Amino acid sequence: DQQVKQNSPSLSVQEGRISILNCDYTNSMFDYFLWYKKYPAEGPTFLISISSIKDKNEDGRFTVFLNKSAKHLSLHIVPSQPGDSAVYFCAARRTGANNLFFGTGTRLTVIP
Amino acid sequence: KAGVTQTPRYLIKTRGQQVTLSCSPISGHRSVSWYQQTPGQGLQFLFEYFSETQRNKGNFPGRFSGRQFSNSRSEMNVSTLELGDSALYLCASSLETIGESPLHFGNGTRLTVT
Repeated sequence: DQQVKQNSPSLSVQEGRISILNCDYTNSMFDYFLWYKKYPAEGPTFLISISSIKDKNEDGRFTVFLNKSAKHLSLHIVPSQPGDSAVYFCAARRTGANNLFFGTGTRLTVIP
Repeated sequence: KAGVTQTPRYLIKTRGQQVTLSCSPISGHRSVSWYQQTPGQGLQFLFEYFSETQRNKGNFPGRFSGRQFSNSRSEMNVSTLELGDSALYLCASSLETIGESPLHFGNGTRLTVT
């Protein structure tokens, strides 16, 4: 049972434009959400996180939005750069637990 | 500060054998978790250790086990290997809870079972 879903396996965006990666979840007990980026042959690298008490968190070019009523979060990358090309994973933590539930990832390709 | 270190990077084993993977967390991190990544399945949680105790366990068979040592280093063992165990095994460390610091991952051990 996939509790965190990334329904778009891939996304292509022109350099300089906005990339929007989406993630849906089903468990209302999730209280902390994270985005990771993964290059081939490397482990996932933490990008940005958001607590369920917030609806937006920004870090440079990266912004995460959380819509609790829709059980939906999104990652915005502005402007997109070729070096952003990677697989992006959405992850969520359940209250009181210390493990993450991951989506299946979205492969972002930024075209120069 | 050194990152999470996993050894070996690659392993090839035969069905029925057993394997041990090793992980050294970031200095000061006391929580170590293990995840399995397979194509199409994303990352699946195996187990988490904190202060040498298994604190949380995912939905994997008993052939998968682990342990943590007093220096926070961790090992994962898979016995009676099956073809379906071929995957990238990722170790991650954090401070006491993910809310304090995110999980930091190593580069993984790629296990191939033939």
